[in-house]
Amino acid sequence: GEDVEQSLFLSVREGDSSVINCTYTDSSSTYLYWYKQEPGAGLQLLTYIFSNMDMKQDQRLTVLLNKKDKHLSLRIADTQTGDSAIYFCAEKKGTYKYIFGTGTRLKVLA
Amino acid sequence: DTAVSQTPKYLVTQMGNDKSIKCEQNLGHDTMYWYKQDSKKFLKIMFSYNNKELIINETVPNRFSPKSPDKAHLNLHINSLELGDSAVYFCASSQDQGSQPQHFGDGTRLSIL
Repeated sequence: GEDVEQSLFLSVREGDSSVINCTYTDSSSTYLYWYKQEPGAGLQLLTYIFSNMDMKQDQRLTVLLNKKDKHLSLRIADTQTGDSAIYFCAEKKGTYKYIFGTGTRLKVLA
Repeated sequence: DTAVSQTPKYLVTQMGNDKSIKCEQNLGHDTMYWYKQDSKKFLKIMFSYNNKELIINETVPNRFSPKSPDKAHLNLHINSLELGDSAVYFCASSQDQGSQPQHFGDGTRLSIL
């Protein structure tokens, strides 16, 4: 099927690291993305990784890709209350199609 | 300047009515999309247009008709609105090549009474 799976909820304490996981469907997907959605807003691109990479780091964000297992993760270091949001992974299939995950609701406790 | 803008932001209407949502992007992108996000926040692609041509139509009822007058605009017209149409509709755009991610509008919250 086309379901990209994520855990629905994650709760962490401020200052801890958050790890959000995603299992995607198509090993031929070229790019994988992480988006953040705050309440009442659209999706904001956080970072992306090309499928021939294992890891990408961008400030507090680290993306890990296990292509064999079709597993993608997003680690947020030193999580802040402003990081509370819904996080979506997405895979790009072909030129025009993007499949989004089910979304993980991150709650950061002060 | 807003990159992808949708209007209206909120739309409350009665079952059976016809309504339109407009979307414009000023990024010079070739491809535009409509997504539906339901109450559980699941995001599903509805349509994709590339240079005004329909590329993707994901088994959306015929009551939904997208129109792209030029590559910077993709409007969504919905006929005979039903209760199940209540959702947030997002417009997005992207450039075709390589890693280019999608840029999203802020969404149109459609409520059917």
